[in-house]
Amino acid sequence: QKEVEQNSGPLSVPEGAIASLNCTYSDRVSQSFFWYRQYSGKSPELIMSIYSNGDKEDGRFTAQLNKASQYVSLLIRDSQPSDSATYLCAVEGGSSYKLIFGSGTRLLVRP
Amino acid sequence: GAGVSQSPSNKVTEKGKDVELRCDPISGHTALYWYRQSLGQGLEFLIYFQGNSAPDKSGLPSDRFSAERTGGSVSTLTIQRTQQEDSAVYLCASSPQWTGELFFGEGSRLTVL
Repeated sequence: QKEVEQNSGPLSVPEGAIASLNCTYSDRVSQSFFWYRQYSGKSPELIMSIYSNGDKEDGRFTAQLNKASQYVSLLIRDSQPSDSATYLCAVEGGSSYKLIFGSGTRLLVRP
Repeated sequence: GAGVSQSPSNKVTEKGKDVELRCDPISGHTALYWYRQSLGQGLEFLIYFQGNSAPDKSGLPSDRFSAERTGGSVSTLTIQRTQQEDSAVYLCASSPQWTGELFFGEGSRLTVL
């Protein structure tokens, strides 16, 4: 079992729709969770962090965390073509400071 | 500049040669990470430094890979006797202490012929 799992996609949504990206993780002791965005040919950039169960909103982005289910998600409201990118879920490696990345979900927002 | 700087940006080498990749983190950032990203793949953790020490070297793929960090700043990733499967983009990232909020450099693209 991979430590951090994501559906590779592509997830295709029309402009203006809500994009929902999901991630599961295997280490129950993990406490810190992150979403990074990576445009093609570029390096990842942090867009959201979440540490407590529930929702965290930042502009059009909402991160959701459920530690009991070992599940993290990212919602993007009013999706724009500029949101088209690969979204990487990252999880603190439990007993260490290692940050483990999922393989990413490619999002395509159709104009 | 104010960001993470990596060099070289591109390196083409022949199988069996040694290569060194350099990372200059954001000033004051004590945590430094190396990751590897093969074409179309996710980020593979290689090594993490806190200051000059590397508490976690578990991701280094083989003993051909080594890394060091001096003065709590610049880090060098060395790959000895390169193989074709080493071809990838090597990404360096830094963070103020450990927060998980990483700032990535532009990467060093390594091609082993």
